[in-house]
Amino acid sequence: KNQVEQSPQSLIILEGKNCTLQCNYTVSPFSNLRWYKQDTGRGPVSLTIMTFSENTKSNGRYTATLDADTKQSSLHITASQLSDSASYICVVSARGSGGSYIPTFGRGTSLIVHP
Amino acid sequence: KAGVTQTPRYLIKTRGQQVTLSCSPISGHRSVSWYQQTPGQGLQFLFEYFSETQRNKGNFPGRFSGRQFSNSRSEMNVSTLELGDSALYLCASLQGDSSSYNEQFFGPGTRLTVL
Repeated sequence: KNQVEQSPQSLIILEGKNCTLQCNYTVSPFSNLRWYKQDTGRGPVSLTIMTFSENTKSNGRYTATLDADTKQSSLHITASQLSDSASYICVVSARGSGGSYIPTFGRGTSLIVHP
Repeated sequence: KAGVTQTPRYLIKTRGQQVTLSCSPISGHRSVSWYQQTPGQGLQFLFEYFSETQRNKGNFPGRFSGRQFSNSRSEMNVSTLELGDSALYLCASLQGDSSSYNEQFFGPGTRLTVL
């Protein structure tokens, strides 16, 4: 069964500090891995998309890494801001039949940034 | 360019009723996916439509169905509602099909409450 596990479940940090969120997956056959940011009451917003051959992908202060051998990904947030307070969701897609792709979602990490 | 729109934003139904939710993708996007988000299960994939054809389907009962029209607008229907169907229903659109690595754009969601 395809699974995506995220840790920690929640995290509280001070404004300006860095943090790293983890994502472990058992999804096969692997297609791509995406990180999303979801503010309370809103739909998720895409941060990064990585394929099997990519190790690192950056989007401003967000940097995602992927280790396809250990099936682990991380999302590093640099110089956190109050607006970074949100849920961060890791999504791993598997290749299905006929060119289709099935996404499996992690439960997310709830990040709170305090002033 | 307008984003993904979903109607209605909020809905209250009683057990046994049926409900239809609507999603209008970003202009030019032909792929529409539907997701259910609950506090207990997180985000779960329902189905994906591309050019009026269902390409993928998640692990949900047959009470959940959908369709896509020639203008790419999509509807999702849930029949014989159960209390457990209370959730935020999100739709997302993608330029191209799910096999591409383009960014997926989410709508604000429809909050369904079943009493």
